[in-house]
Amino acid sequence: TQLLEQSPQFLSIQEGENLTVYCNSSSVFSSLQWYRQEPGEGPVLLVTVVTGGEVKKLKRLTFQFGDARKDSSLHITAAQPGDTGLYLCAGVLSRNQFYFGTGTSLTVIP
Amino acid sequence: NAGVTQTPKFQVLKTGQSMTLQCAQDMNHEYMSWYRQDPGMGLRLIHYSVGAGITDQGEVPNGYNVSRSTTEDFPLRLLSAAPSQTSVYFCASSRTGGGNTEAFFGQGTRLTVV
Repeated sequence: TQLLEQSPQFLSIQEGENLTVYCNSSSVFSSLQWYRQEPGEGPVLLVTVVTGGEVKKLKRLTFQFGDARKDSSLHITAAQPGDTGLYLCAGVLSRNQFYFGTGTSLTVIP
Repeated sequence: NAGVTQTPKFQVLKTGQSMTLQCAQDMNHEYMSWYRQDPGMGLRLIHYSVGAGITDQGEVPNGYNVSRSTTEDFPLRLLSAAPSQTSVYFCASSRTGGGNTEAFFGQGTRLTVV
């Protein structure tokens, strides 16, 4: 089992629909990050959430950090084809070990 | 603006062969790391370094060696390649190893071991 489990693993939706991706762990993190990865490229940082209960918005993307700092969610409103990609959550526990989640592959169909 | 540069981009190895994946960054970052990416498993940490001369193991270090003789370079060595090491490898760097700092990734090396 991996430290950070994401669900769903795959998501295929029509343009204009809303969706939520979840990132869960049994461990407490000081912060969590969300990255997006496009085919043939490395992941790129979208956001960092630090405080339990924190909500951050990035245009149509809303990120939330759980109150207990063990989980996070990413909500996309009115998805567009340009949102297609692999979404990864990530966090640091101790000794500078940076862990990534299992990933959610999103396809938005025009 | 080079950022993080990985070479090669593609590589095919025979079982038992050795090779080195190169990684260089020009951002003067202290923290560098290597990951492997396999379907359904996200990115798994192989080795990391918090500065020149200092390296440590991640989640899946077996079969891999690293060294950090300079701030800029962090090569990953496969001593005796095995089919289980077929994967996409990413190198990343960040200012520190803390969770508040952004990690910058290279474009990856797709390795196939036959």
